[in-house]
Amino acid sequence: SQQGEEDPQALSIQEGENATMNCSYKTSINNLQWYRQNSGRGLVHLILIRSNEREKHSGRLRVTLDTSKKSSSLLITASRAADTASYFCATGGGSNYKLTFGKGTLLTVNP
Amino acid sequence: DVKVTQSSRYLVKRTGEKVFLECVQDMDHENMFWYRQDPGLGLRLIYFSYDVKMKEKGDIPEGYSVSREKKERFSLILESASTNQTSMYLCASRGERTFTDTQYFGPGTRLTVL
Repeated sequence: SQQGEEDPQALSIQEGENATMNCSYKTSINNLQWYRQNSGRGLVHLILIRSNEREKHSGRLRVTLDTSKKSSSLLITASRAADTASYFCATGGGSNYKLTFGKGTLLTVNP
Repeated sequence: DVKVTQSSRYLVKRTGEKVFLECVQDMDHENMFWYRQDPGLGLRLIYFSYDVKMKEKGDIPEGYSVSREKKERFSLILESASTNQTSMYLCASRGERTFTDTQYFGPGTRLTVL
């Protein structure tokens, strides 16, 4: 069952612009995570936000979480060509530590 | 530094062959996972293991089995490969003591079944 759904499916911006990706989910969560995947590679963990947090920052990344709307957003500021990748949200927690991933947003940053 | 390795980056097999995908982690993690990733479908969990010799089915276990004889190694087995198992396979691990759900992924194995 698909828990997280990212929006948009694809996003193309110019270097230096900000990129915003959204994630919606269906059931209650313990935390929500964002991962990045470069083409043909494994996923890399970016940031985790717990259900009792509303906003979190890490470098150029800003994540928000609205549990009442069951949604999260990932903002990448001052984007670089190296940020070109697919970005996935994942919801998880609970007794078996499973994560459920969305289908991802493909971000292209043009130089 | 955290490291998850997978035995092959690319693999080509024939229909009906038995296929082994190996995953090794060096972080002493208790939990290990196998996913497959397909365009338009995202990542789907095949099996996971929370301890040596322990396993649980994920969302799409049909056609797959797993083995975890040692803590650091988690194998995915395709008993009789079929063309619809052509996919990218990703292994991940997670530690109990981290108290987070962060998973660490290997580089992936792109399997083609002809």
